[in-house]
Amino acid sequence: DTGVSQNPRHKITKRGQNVTFRCDPISEHNRLYWYRQTLGQGPEFLTYFQNEAQLEKSRLLSDRFSAERPKGSFSTLEIQRTEQGDSAMYLCASSLVGRGYQETQYFGPGTRLLVL
Amino acid sequence: RKEVEQDPGPFNVPEGATVAFNCTYSNSASQSFFWYRQDCRKEPKLLMSVYSSGNEDGRFTAQLNRASQYISLLIRDSKLSDSATYLCVAPPFGGTSYGKLTFGQGTILTVHP
Repeated sequence: DTGVSQNPRHKITKRGQNVTFRCDPISEHNRLYWYRQTLGQGPEFLTYFQNEAQLEKSRLLSDRFSAERPKGSFSTLEIQRTEQGDSAMYLCASSLVGRGYQETQYFGPGTRLLVL
Repeated sequence: RKEVEQDPGPFNVPEGATVAFNCTYSNSASQSFFWYRQDCRKEPKLLMSVYSSGNEDGRFTAQLNRASQYISLLIRDSKLSDSATYLCVAPPFGGTSYGKLTFGQGTILTVHP
């Protein structure tokens, strides 16, 4: 499978615990995005990387959230001290930019987080 | 006002019907637009891109009206498999690379026999 992969697919945790999600982009894609989607809403942008540089962070990304892409390939999203309001689907997307193509973002299957 | 607004529906139509969704956007700097399709509990998948006045792909037609800042999606001869949520997307910037995507809340379509 050469698409975007995310792990785990589901995570149930207790309030106050830390969780970490992983995203593996499509090979050679230089951009990687994180979005969050709650029931009945469209995905909301959280942050994105071009190679290993984090270029933009949304105001939605509180101090409890941190994302990394240390080698410009896979990325991790960590949520510290989880709250019930963090329950959502966390989507990762990747794209290739810089070669004159129109950018197209391809989404992974998401990690569904439930905070009890 | 939300940056991208859609009628959430749901739209319930019989097979074979024609159905249209509208989407309005507030950022006049947006140049290109997309319709993504999302099946229940799945990831969004790109359905169509709209760069100029419109685009047609088989039974699907997307139109863009820059003066009124709205995008529409028309589905002709609806199939049961068209049942999904349709997400309107307006990147905040133009050019070939957009950065973050701004999604509408989605329009739910159910096609019944």
